[in-house]
Amino acid sequence: DAGVTQSPTHLIKTRGQQVTLRCSPKSGHDTVSWYQQALGQGPQFIFQYYEEEERQRGNFPDRFSGHQFPNYSSELNVNALLLGDSALYLCASSRRVGASLETQYFGPGTRLLVL
Amino acid sequence: SQQGEEDPQALSIQEGENATMNCSYKTSINNLQWYRQNSGRGLVHLILIRSNEREKHSGRLRVTLDTSKKSSSLLITASRAADTASYFCATDPPGGSEKLVFGKGTKLTVNP
Repeated sequence: DAGVTQSPTHLIKTRGQQVTLRCSPKSGHDTVSWYQQALGQGPQFIFQYYEEEERQRGNFPDRFSGHQFPNYSSELNVNALLLGDSALYLCASSRRVGASLETQYFGPGTRLLVL
Repeated sequence: SQQGEEDPQALSIQEGENATMNCSYKTSINNLQWYRQNSGRGLVHLILIRSNEREKHSGRLRVTLDTSKKSSSLLITASRAADTASYFCATDPPGGSEKLVFGKGTKLTVNP
């Protein structure tokens, strides 16, 4: 049973460019959350997708957007990249049971460097 | 913003010793979870403790939760070099927000 997978593993972009990161959830999971982890910090919640809709959003600008597909996989898009967007981007998947989520399982992350 | 604060920020011990890490948080919670991260890679879920639980065990791990003090501790017994990693606590606030709020982590080094 494959766990959460993310692609690409590493990415280098320049300021002003746009980037798309991808995530495939663990089998049986229907909810995907995205987190940004700057160097030396804990992960910060960006947003969460369920049933192809954004359900929760953290304190991130509109430059950060996402999408969830019918197969539950998800994309994170960042427009107009800034140097400060350099970070490890983590995807977590979980299964919704009733009104609550079970444990979130994380992928290996995509390390983004903006030059 | 960060909800939890782990203490200490860094911990260095010898193999075989016990390691204790603490986490304090600010608001009420549904549950609290501990994760491990090796060298800036993905997070591995270790243990979840619910707000109505006080202690939980999993193998060499022991987690306690004191909701009155808004704090938790993670004890790793008989540590191994492979336990070297950063450890994060994450809270899940009540009200169905379902987003995990992480602290800055404790960097544990276990020397062989």
